[in-house]
Amino acid sequence: GAVVSQHPSWVICKSGTSVKIECRSLDFQATTMFWYRQFPKQSLMLMATSNEGSKATYEQGVEKDKFLINHASLTLSTLTVTSAHPEDSSFYICSAGDDVDYTFGSGTRLTVV
Amino acid sequence: SQKIEQNSEALNIQEGKTATLTCNYTNYSPAYLQWYRQDPGRGPVFLLLIRENEKEKRKERLKVTFDTTLKQSLFHITASQPADSATYLCALGDWGKLQFGAGTQVVVTP
Repeated sequence: GAVVSQHPSWVICKSGTSVKIECRSLDFQATTMFWYRQFPKQSLMLMATSNEGSKATYEQGVEKDKFLINHASLTLSTLTVTSAHPEDSSFYICSAGDDVDYTFGSGTRLTVV
Repeated sequence: SQKIEQNSEALNIQEGKTATLTCNYTNYSPAYLQWYRQDPGRGPVFLLLIRENEKEKRKERLKVTFDTTLKQSLFHITASQPADSATYLCALGDWGKLQFGAGTQVVVTP
């Protein structure tokens, strides 16, 4: 089956620094990747849609200058949280697919101190 | 606005019994609905997809029903096992672009 790898699985960073999270499709080419965020005891919330070779589309209320998304190849999308603050601490999850079937990554726990 | 509601209270159930979870939605006319399992600190894992023209779908010990008139889906785990303990999410949307319910935690005790 399709495998989506996320790296790192957890990261702690200082307030004001930037953190990059990678999402890779290991055994298929993903034309579209999605980035979600999940706060404790809450549902996954879609942040943005990432299409290979084009600019990401952000959901309402998500700051595109703060959450930089790059989808430079069919197997890799990155999410960079710039100038991270404690309120950005969350569980970030990507999903990748080929327009029909989508698989979620294992998630990245970000803690900003 | 579109809403998806799941029981926020954890469902505690004895091994061997059937767990039944509810997903209600408003302001949607979905062509299909999906159920996922999420373990602590992990991403969701796809379980089942049921289409609007399907009343019921089964996969091993799992059964899903879909009532578009009631705007409700029921998710059943029969002969539950401790390994079924997890949070179960329902989701609506277009393929990968999904809106999720908050999930219902299921705890199966031996």
